[in-house]
Amino acid sequence: ILNVEQSPQSLHVQEGDSTNFTCSFPSSNFYALHWYRWETAKSPEALFVMTLNGDEKKKGRISATLNTKEGYSYLYIKGSQPEDSATYLCAFIGSSNTGKLIFGQGTTLQVKP
Amino acid sequence: DGGITQSPKYLFRKEGQNVTLSCEQNLNHDAMYWYRQDPGQGLRLIYYSQIVNDFQKGDIAEGYSVSREKKESFPLTVTSAQKNPTAFYLCASTISGPLSYNEQFFGPGTRLTVL
Repeated sequence: ILNVEQSPQSLHVQEGDSTNFTCSFPSSNFYALHWYRWETAKSPEALFVMTLNGDEKKKGRISATLNTKEGYSYLYIKGSQPEDSATYLCAFIGSSNTGKLIFGQGTTLQVKP
Repeated sequence: DGGITQSPKYLFRKEGQNVTLSCEQNLNHDAMYWYRQDPGQGLRLIYYSQIVNDFQKGDIAEGYSVSREKKESFPLTVTSAQKNPTAFYLCASTISGPLSYNEQFFGPGTRLTVL
């Protein structure tokens, strides 16, 4: 089973702080990487789908970068707000089986007002 | 509104009983997935189906069964052979096809507790 690791497991920041998390995945046989946000009592929602080495994606205050050669992706949140509190999941798709996602265990962010 | 529905939200069953979790989507998606979440772990794939009348085992298929008789429906049966069935179950779907890196859309989940 391929391994996808996320760090840190949890994070507590103050409102206004900027923060970032890491997703590590196998650098060989890369096909795509997804980032999802999962708020309490809601369903996970896609933030980004990344496919190319060097990809940078942005949605409001949240952005992500991708390095497929070394097998990592960073998710950045600029000026964290309480509504950013959620679990952030990354999911790897390998070229040997493009039908399935392999999820990391998630990073849980708590933003204190 | 288009989306994925799962029912029920909470389910309690006695040990040794089979139970079926419902998942329906009206997004016209070809591919559907079942995941399980346990505390401190990521989503683990149980079964997935990329087309009607076809499905594949995921990483933790033992003790589970599925069917895909209709495009919009992908029910999951948790059998008595599943040794630790108490968990949170999520269903998802996506557009399939050549560009199969498309984002997945998730249902609200079913929390199953086996007493």
